[in-house]
Amino acid sequence: NAGVTQTPKFQVLKTGQSMTLQCAQDMNHEYMSWYRQDPGMGLRLIHYSVGAGITDQGEVPNGYNVSRSTTEDFPLRLLSAAPSQTSVYFCASSYVPGNTIYFGEGSWLTVV
Amino acid sequence: KNEVEQSPQNLTAQEGEFITINCSYSVGISALHWLQQHPGGGIVSLFMLSSGKKKHGRLIATINIQEKHSSLHITASHPRDSAVYICAHVGGTSGSRLTFGEGTQLTVNP
Repeated sequence: NAGVTQTPKFQVLKTGQSMTLQCAQDMNHEYMSWYRQDPGMGLRLIHYSVGAGITDQGEVPNGYNVSRSTTEDFPLRLLSAAPSQTSVYFCASSYVPGNTIYFGEGSWLTVV
Repeated sequence: KNEVEQSPQNLTAQEGEFITINCSYSVGISALHWLQQHPGGGIVSLFMLSSGKKKHGRLIATINIQEKHSSLHITASHPRDSAVYICAHVGGTSGSRLTFGEGTQLTVNP
């Protein structure tokens, strides 16, 4: 049982480049979400999904896109990377939001 | 003011001490999570509670919905408990959003 798998673990991008952070879970969870974690701030919600085909914006959605074509996968796309998007990104899933939540190992992204 | 406030921000203890970390929130919630983040970044769920008290090993979590306050207690603390402890409440439409506190950095010295 892999849980929540997030890739890549580390990435360096140049300003303006695009990339996709992958997130997959094998627990048949309906709820999946992406967060960013910055020094001195709590985890902040970027986008979330309550099921395949359903996504919504979180607290800090600008510059990011998501889609949820399957229950298992919830990729996060950076459209045109900016230095302000340098952060640690976490994907998470749970059966429903109020249930136990499982996190991926994190993706360290640096935009230069 | 953040919706979720944790205190203290940093806590240093000696092995064996009883530790309390507090979490206050300003909005009505359906549930509250306590999470642990180890050096290296991995985040694991410790508790999810909507009322009362839960216990797992040396960890105890309590919540008072009326006072909008939760506490995480660690009994007989150990250096391996050194980590960042984060509370997060479940809110938003249909209870679909988590809002996190900034975390409490705990260091337990041998």
